[in-house]
Order: sequence, then C-alpha cells, then structure tokens
Amino acid sequence: DVKVTQSSRYLVKRTGEKVFLECVQDMDHENMFWYRQDPGLGLRLIYFSYDVKMKEKGDIPEGYSVSREKKERFSLILESASTNQTSMYLCASSLMGAVEKLFFGSGTQLSVL
Amino acid sequence: GENVEQHPSTLSVQEGDSAVIKCTYSDSASNYFPWYKQELGKRPQLIIDIRSNVGEKKDQRIAVTLNKTAKHFSLHITETQPEDSAVYFCAAGNNFNKFYFGSGTKLNVKP
Repeated sequence: DVKVTQSSRYLVKRTGEKVFLECVQDMDHENMFWYRQDPGLGLRLIYFSYDVKMKEKGDIPEGYSVSREKKERFSLILESASTNQTSMYLCASSLMGAVEKLFFGSGTQLSVL
Repeated sequence: GENVEQHPSTLSVQEGDSAVIKCTYSDSASNYFPWYKQELGKRPQLIIDIRSNVGEKKDQRIAVTLNKTAKHFSLHITETQPEDSAVYFCAAGNNFNKFYFGSGTKLNVKP
C-alpha cells in the first residue's frame, strides 16, 4: 500500500519564521505535489515536481519554495511565514503517466501567529 | 490555465435520496476527470474517475457523467447513506498529472 507521509500533523509558527514542511513517499513515484486546502477554495496547487531537482510552479507559488534532492522526499519551504499562509497543506504523489493514481498524505495544519 | 467550478458548496439530503454534484471546466485539453472524497480529518481518496473518451461510468451507487461539448461533468450518488457524508472534490487534468480541483461540496446525509 502506497504511503505518503507528512512529518507533522499540526504546526504552530510565528510570523517571519522559516518553515519547512516535509513529505516522504515510499513507492518510487516520479511526481510529487504540494497543495494548499482552504474552506471554499478547494485544493490549490503550490508547486509540483516530476523528477529529482525538477520543480514547476503551480497556481499559487508566491511566498513558497520547494526542494527535491531525493526522489522520495519533497519539501515545502515558507521563507518568511505570514498569517495568510495559515492553512492545511497536503502533499501528494503519483507515478509518471499513471494519472489516475494520485495518493495524498494526511495533511499538515499550519497556523501562523 | 484550467478553471474548475463546482456546485453546490453544500448539499443536504435525506438518507436514501440521490445527490448530484456538478462541475464545469474551461480547458478543452483536459481529458481526465477524477472525483475525490474527503472525510472529516482524513486525506482525499479517489472514488471514481472518467476519461474524455467516455460519457458515463458507474460503480455501484456512484456514477459520473461527462459532457465534453458543454465542458461539464457530474457526480451522482444514489441511495445515499450516512457514511456518504463528506466533502467531495471534482478535478480536471491531463496526462501530465497536473490536476485542477473544484472548491468542494460538503454533503450531509441525514439519517
């Protein structure tokens, strides 16, 4: 069974802090994604990566960066956290070409105070 | 880019009734349309999907229809049960796995 693991379920940070959200998948998936989930807005794509060291901006990349140094790990970085980045963050992964198999992590609820 | 609109935002039905959730999309290049169910506090899970070369697909009490010309697709749940209560997301995407999600529908099935 595919496992997508996000390092923290809940996270509380201060405005201006640098925040790292980690995601690890154990099925050798090429594609990895970071989504942000807000009530009434659905899931919005922040960044995605289809290979190690490769990344592409999604729909709302401002204020975020990502890192993919190893195939199994995809990190989301908030360089200077702001209150409007308080949200649920979902990581997902899939095999290249296996478009129907998108697996989500359990999510990280980030609160920026 | 793609724009996916989903309606209604909330839907309340009596157990045993049917529920219909509708989505529209804007990019004619989209060819894959999944539906995800997210129970409270859990991760989204794929429940059914349809590709653009098919007009309808059914899996037990769940069905999805697609109208490519009008660029809309719908989720139909028959004989609803309390365990169907969740948030449902539609999405539109292409073969590169980049999905655009709708804003979600909170379905409440009253016993």
